Amino acid sequence: DADVTQTPRNRITKTGKRIMLECSQTKGHDRMYWYRQDPGLGLRLIYYSFDVKDINKGEISDGYSVSRQAQAKFSLSLESAIPNQTALYFCATSQGKTYGYTFGSGTRLTVV
Amino acid sequence: TQLLEQSPQFLSIQEGENLTVYCNSSSVFSSLQWYRQEPGEGPVLLVTVVTGGEVKKLKRLTFQFGDARKDSSLHITAAQPGDTGLYLCAGHENYGGSQGNLIFGKGTKLSVKP
Repeated sequence: DADVTQTPRNRITKTGKRIMLECSQTKGHDRMYWYRQDPGLGLRLIYYSFDVKDINKGEISDGYSVSRQAQAKFSLSLESAIPNQTALYFCATSQGKTYGYTFGSGTRLTVV
Repeated sequence: TQLLEQSPQFLSIQEGENLTVYCNSSSVFSSLQWYRQEPGEGPVLLVTVVTGGEVKKLKRLTFQFGDARKDSSLHITAAQPGDTGLYLCAGHENYGGSQGNLIFGKGTKLSVKP
């Protein structure tokens, strides 16, 4: 099994719908992150969490919310999806402040 | 705000050619990392460079950290189609009060044709 698992891999949803993307990890890392990737814009941080009780906004948190249900689980919700939220979404984990990230395989989300 | 600029943005070469991609900043980083992302997958960590002037080799890939720790380069010798992908550099935030999150460059998209 992958160290960081994201579900679903692909999703098409309609404008205005609420959608949840899920991430689970077996690395035992405390730090978890949600990024979106768009062509020409690179990886942009949406939310991050350093433990179950610690949630922080990233640079583009508007329109998104997160839940850290356990050390191993971090989910991202789009409350009311809009077309410009169409993107590739990645979850990542890290062991600590100076360590590299382990990424999931991503969720390709299309909002029509 | 700390930024990482990568160049070139796109690179298309023939199998067997050599290439170098660059990662530059006006800020000093305590370390820089390089990731490779293949289509349909998440980025995978290739290497971390920590000391100014450091050179690390990973098979045909050579990574160098600038003496002033503001820049890094990735050199690929005799590129192969399997090297195709998006190469990202990243450094940890290190200004006062920062959380130490990674800052990513926008990447160099490499295509190696057989």
